[in-house]
Amino acid sequence: DVKVTQSSRYLVKRTGEKVFLECVQDMDHENMFWYRQDPGLGLRLIYFSYDVKMKEKGDIPEGYSVSREKKERFSLILESASTNQTSMYLCATGRNTQYFGPGTRLTVL
Amino acid sequence: QQQVKQSPQSLIVQKGGISIINCAYENTAFDYFPWYQQFPGKGPALLIAIRPDVSEKKEGRFTISFNKSAKQFSLHIMDSQPGDSATYFCAASLSGGSEKLVFGKGTKLTVNP
Repeated sequence: DVKVTQSSRYLVKRTGEKVFLECVQDMDHENMFWYRQDPGLGLRLIYFSYDVKMKEKGDIPEGYSVSREKKERFSLILESASTNQTSMYLCATGRNTQYFGPGTRLTVL
Repeated sequence: QQQVKQSPQSLIVQKGGISIINCAYENTAFDYFPWYQQFPGKGPALLIAIRPDVSEKKEGRFTISFNKSAKQFSLHIMDSQPGDSATYFCAASLSGGSEKLVFGKGTKLTVNP
């Protein structure tokens, strides 16, 4: 079974804080993805990575950055958290079939 | 060009009924069309997928119908059960490239007992 783990299920941060969300996969997949999920807006791609140290912007990269130093680990960074970044963040890995982690519900106060 | 439009936003069906969710796409280069199922508190999981060389794919009570000329595909859930209550997302992607999935906005299905 593919396992995708995310560092936290729930996170509460203050405006302006730097936030790190981490994702780890155990399937040796090259592709990894970060999405945010908001009611009525579905899943929106923030960034994805197709190899170590390689990254590409998705549809909504503003306010986010990513890091992929090892193949199994893909981190999403909110440089200065804002209230409009309160959301569910989902990590995924895989090729055509994407395997998702359980999500991190981030609240920015 | 990259959008996938999904309808309805929400759907209420009685147990034993048929649930139908529709999606439409614009980019004719898309060649992989998966459906994902998401239960509350969980990440989405692949339910069933189709490629455009077939018009229908069935797995148990779940069927994808694909109409290439209309650029539409739909998910049919036969004999819907309360355990099918979840949010369903259609998606589309291009093989051979970055293989990013473009998702529809989701349909919240409620199956009443």
